[in-house]
Amino acid sequence: GAVVSQHPSWVICKSGTSVKIECRSLDFQATTMFWYRQFPKQSLMLMATSNEGSKATYEQGVEKDKFLINHASLTLSTLTVTSAHPEDSSFYICSARVRTASGVTYEQYFGPGTRLTVT
Amino acid sequence: AQSVTQPDIHITVSEGASLELRCNYSYGATPYLFWYVQSPGQGLQLLLKYFSGDTLVQGIKGFEAEFKRSQSSFNLCKPSVHWSDAAEYFCAVGGNNNDMRFGAGTRLTVKP
Repeated sequence: GAVVSQHPSWVICKSGTSVKIECRSLDFQATTMFWYRQFPKQSLMLMATSNEGSKATYEQGVEKDKFLINHASLTLSTLTVTSAHPEDSSFYICSARVRTASGVTYEQYFGPGTRLTVT
Repeated sequence: AQSVTQPDIHITVSEGASLELRCNYSYGATPYLFWYVQSPGQGLQLLLKYFSGDTLVQGIKGFEAEFKRSQSSFNLCKPSVHWSDAAEYFCAVGGNNNDMRFGAGTRLTVKP
């Protein structure tokens, strides 16, 4: 259980175009999903918290108009990189938050990531 | 603010040798601590986690970690490393809101 998928796994797009990345929780519902960005040989940086039915919460320094997040259902969050530029090339990883068996704490399950290359 | 420090950027061990990856954290309350492993071009796989209780935590693939509050540490250990353990390892800290913060990662190379 607790499987998170991402689509596509990799995408190449031209500068100035927009790219949509999907994050799905396959066998559970997730009211909260997270989007991370990872540059080569670096750690994951939290970009935003995606809440079902409400606006995403963005981390400081992340442009909300450039990285559009939509959490339309309990199993799907999307990240759209608008007017992509080469500096947006990165590995984007999503995660979904689930309650542990105790019901008190949470843990995150991560998707396999999406490699975006902007030419 | 919560933060995680992984002092070792790169570690090389021989196959069959023991392994310890260091992790120190800063957190205002009782932290939730995690270790993840990432193979090249892949997502993160949870190795183990600590929420409360026994401070020695057993994980998958023969890994274990010990929470030491006095040292603000959560080091990852494995008694005998296999070549397939070569990967990037991330320590993370989070609270009940799961506002998770990751360390910079430690790259493990395993020599034959």
